Formats: sequence, structure tokens, C-alpha cells
Amino acid sequence: QKEVEQNSGPLSVPEGAIASLNCTYSDRVSQSFFWYRQYSGKSPELIMSIYSNGDKEDGRFTAQLNKASQYVSLLIRDSQPSDSATYLCAVNSPSSNTGKLIFGQGTTLQVKP
Amino acid sequence: DAGVTQSPTHLIKTRGQQVTLRCSPKSGHDTVSWYQQALGQGPQFIFQYYEEEERQRGNFPDRFSGHQFPNYSSELNVNALLLGDSALYLCASTHGGPYEQYFGPGTRLTVT
Repeated sequence: QKEVEQNSGPLSVPEGAIASLNCTYSDRVSQSFFWYRQYSGKSPELIMSIYSNGDKEDGRFTAQLNKASQYVSLLIRDSQPSDSATYLCAVNSPSSNTGKLIFGQGTTLQVKP
Repeated sequence: DAGVTQSPTHLIKTRGQQVTLRCSPKSGHDTVSWYQQALGQGPQFIFQYYEEEERQRGNFPDRFSGHQFPNYSSELNVNALLLGDSALYLCASTHGGPYEQYFGPGTRLTVT
């Protein structure tokens, strides 16, 4: 079992729709969770962080965390073609407090005009 | 506010050679982590430097080594390059522990 799992996609949604990206993690003592967006040929860009159970909203983005289910998700409302990218879920390794991030393989999102 | 910078942008090396990649952290950050990202995969943690010492290391061989300087900048060295070392090498900086990490633009290394 991988430590952080994401569906590789591609996830295709029409412009204006809600895109839902999901991530599960194996170690239940993980404390910090991050979503990065990566455009093709570029480096990852941090878009959301979440540390507590529940929802966290930032503009069109909402991160949801359920530690009991070991599940974290990212919702993108009013999806735009510019949102087309690979979305990486990252979890802080619980084996230390140094900030080592464990990444999923990423989900490719395609927003069609 | 300067973000994380890395150099060079691209690099082509031959098997068996050695390479040095450089990173300057975001202003105010004192911790630098290095990641390797193969095509189609998520980044893999190589190691992290804090106060000029390697604080944690991932599952990478000793051919991968690093250094952090007093100004918090860092180098990643890879010896005896293999074809499988071809990847995007990412530097990320943060301040302190398990907080948000910000990535630089990366160095694309090609080993032929």
C-alpha cells in the first residue's frame, strides 16, 4: 500500500463545473496536509494547506480533511481552463517533525471550455 | 520578496560524471529540502538541511550528498551519475518544522 494515494486521472470536467480531487494516506498520525498544483514542465505551487478536520476555503478552492477516514480532498469551484494541471497531494511524514513531505503521484485535471 | 531560486535550469551530463545543483531559499526561510521528481511521478524526498546539518534523509544512496551554507543556501551533489538519475530536481524551503514548503523552479537533469 502506497503511503499517499491519488487517482492519476485524467479527471475531465467542463468549464464552470466543480472539480473534486481525492487523496488517501496510510499513516493515521499524519498532521499536516498540502495541495500543490503543477503545470506541465513547471515546479509544484502550493495552493492549500490544512491541519484540522473539516473544511478550509480559499477563493475557489476548498480543502477537506477527515482524519478518521484518512482522507483529504480538494474542491475547485467554477473550474477554468487555466486550472488544467496536475494536482499533488502531500502529507507531512509523521515519523519526524522536520517537514518531510510524502507525495501522491498526482491527479491530472482537464477543464474543457 | 524573492522566492526560491535554483541553478542551473537545465543540465546534461554523461554517465559516471558528477553534478552540483544550487538552491537559495525564500527570504526568511532557514530550512531547505531537496526532492527528485521522475516523469509522471510525485516528488521523492532526498534530504533536508537545517542549521547547516542534514536533519533527515530519504531512501537515496550515498551518491547523493548535500551541504547548507551559513546564508541558508544549499547544494545537492550527485556522484557517479546513472541514467536513472535523470529527473527534475526540486528545492523547497520553509521556516522551521512541518510547515508549508515552497518550491523553486527546479533543475532538469538529463544523464546520457
